Amino acid sequence: GAGVSQSPRYKVAKRGQDVALRCDPISGHVSLFWYQQALGQGPEFLTYFQNEAQLDKSGLPSDRFFAERPEGSVSTLKIQRTQQEDSAVYLCASSLVGGAVGGELFFGEGSRLTVL
Amino acid sequence: AQTVTQSQPEMSVQEAETVTLSCTYDTSESDYYLFWYKQPPSRQMILVIRQEAYKQQNATENRFSVNFQKAAKSFSLKISDSQLGDAAMYFCASSGTYKYIFGTGTRLKVLA
Repeated sequence: GAGVSQSPRYKVAKRGQDVALRCDPISGHVSLFWYQQALGQGPEFLTYFQNEAQLDKSGLPSDRFFAERPEGSVSTLKIQRTQQEDSAVYLCASSLVGGAVGGELFFGEGSRLTVL
Repeated sequence: AQTVTQSQPEMSVQEAETVTLSCTYDTSESDYYLFWYKQPPSRQMILVIRQEAYKQQNATENRFSVNFQKAAKSFSLKISDSQLGDAAMYFCASSGTYKYIFGTGTRLKVLA
């Protein structure tokens, strides 16, 4: 595609509900990153995929957060039993090169999650 | 641990003037990259400029340039001839093995 696409753009969930956020990266991009951005803050790293392999998940805040990229393209970030502190914008970014070795990140517009 | 610090939450500049945004970082990587990204209101983040740490020459992209001081672990962004379209959040970032670490951002206001 022309750019990184994320859906839904906005999601309101009741506390305790499960949510799934989708990221469709630029075709052919090897690397895919998920970030969490709280209001007025910088993006916080969640996890990294190189093709279908999840090589770094050190930023996932709890075992309620799970991410996958089964075929090395589309990725899904799942949050189980959502809590109010999960409210944030979730950013997906892709890069043509593997690893974080200096390749330009292309960001989606983000999925804004509000947990009531 | 990798850290990126932006100590200026907000900056203002008159249109056509020059402004410098500050960033300091810490990393254990021997080879790394540094970046400035721009996040306009309600729009996605885009790359402004990139610096390879092993290159001593400061990167430039049109009106944007950096002052990279490796020993001081400082990486500032200079915007010349500021334009209204430059108004945005600016994030400094450094590369690691499998992650990019971002600072907390500087909101730049451009005054007409």
